[in-house]
Amino acid sequence: DVKVTQSSRYLVKRTGEKVFLECVQDMDHENMFWYRQDPGLGLRLIYFSYDVKMKEKGDIPEGYSVSREKKERFSLILESASTNQTSMYLCASSRDGTQPQHFGDGTRLSIL
Amino acid sequence: AQRVTQPEKLLSVFKGAPVELKCNYSYSGSPELFWYVQYSRQRLQLLLRHISRESIKGFTADLNKGETSFHLKKPFAQEEDSAMYYCALGTGANNLFFGTGTRLTVIP
Repeated sequence: DVKVTQSSRYLVKRTGEKVFLECVQDMDHENMFWYRQDPGLGLRLIYFSYDVKMKEKGDIPEGYSVSREKKERFSLILESASTNQTSMYLCASSRDGTQPQHFGDGTRLSIL
Repeated sequence: AQRVTQPEKLLSVFKGAPVELKCNYSYSGSPELFWYVQYSRQRLQLLLRHISRESIKGFTADLNKGETSFHLKKPFAQEEDSAMYYCALGTGANNLFFGTGTRLTVIP
């Protein structure tokens, strides 16, 4: 069974801090994704990666960056956290674009 | 442009009643459609996909290309069906396009 693991379930940070969210998958999937989930807005894609060191902007990349140095790991970086980045962050992976995505448990991030 | 519309943010039905969660998509090519579900305090997980044409937990969904719809149906709702449901569109590109979700509440 595919396992997508996000490093933290809950995280509290202060405005201006640099924040790292980590995600690891164990199924050798090519694609990895970062979403944020907000009530009434559904899932919004921040960034995705289809290969090591490759990345593509999603719908809401502003204020975020990503890193994929190894195939199994995809990191989301908030360069300078702001309160409007308080949200639930979901990581996902998939084998390719025709296959379903598998999600992690999510990280609930609060920026104070 | 690709787009998924779930017109109902909230849907409440009584236990034992039929339920239909609506999903419409916009895509000119050959779509891959999925339904995902998120139960309280659980991760988002795949419920079903149109290509498999199977029934999961009593739910079915038929792709209607003429109406560009992929509505999720269950004849008799159960309390354990209460959850957040997302419809998603795949286009062969690497990412999926998600709708904004429908929160289903089954009233005992």
